[in-house]
Amino acid sequence: EAGVTQFPSHSVIEKGQTVTLRCDPISGHDNLYWYRRVMGKEIKFLLHFVKESKQDESGMPNNRFLAERTGGTYSTLKVQPAELEDSGVYFCASSQVVWQPPRAPYEQYFGPGTRLTVT
Amino acid sequence: AQSVTQLDSQVPVFEEAPVELRCNYSSSVSVYLFWYVQYPNQGLQLLLKYLSGSTLVESINGFEAEFNKSQTSFHLRKPSVHISDTAEYFCAVRHYGKLTFGQGTILTVHP
Repeated sequence: EAGVTQFPSHSVIEKGQTVTLRCDPISGHDNLYWYRRVMGKEIKFLLHFVKESKQDESGMPNNRFLAERTGGTYSTLKVQPAELEDSGVYFCASSQVVWQPPRAPYEQYFGPGTRLTVT
Repeated sequence: AQSVTQLDSQVPVFEEAPVELRCNYSSSVSVYLFWYVQYPNQGLQLLLKYLSGSTLVESINGFEAEFNKSQTSFHLRKPSVHISDTAEYFCAVRHYGKLTFGQGTILTVHP
């Protein structure tokens, strides 16, 4: 069974451009999370989807960030327009609410991350 | 609100030496505690977790962590490290689904 996948693995864009990051959660996982790690800082929560609904978006830094999860499957995170301080690694994680061995309920499984560099 | 402090940003050790990575948390409510590990060029992997029950939890590769409620700590230990343990380790608390992470500790194991 595939894990959480993220695309692209790296993205280099210029300030003012738009970038869209994609996350495909583990099949059947209703919960999807976005996190970000800015260089030298801790990993910070951005938002949480339950199926297609935003459960908690308290970590979104500003309105230049737009997250969607149409159909409750994959999610996209768009940054428009990108600023220098948006550079960092964006992680996606997913979890389920039922016991499906070998995966435990509510345990968050992370993707490899997308490294975004804004120049 | 929850917060997590990892007291050491970098920990260099020699192979087969013991190691302790320190983690303290702050929370006004009960939380679940986790250690994640990120090996070079890989994503975050769950290393171990404390949800309830025994305060000493162990991983399959020899790490252990002890939940200490009075000291609000969840330190990670291993009695003898290997080169392959070189990675960045993150302590985290979970409350209502959201994980709050510490700053990370880079463990470097030297031969």
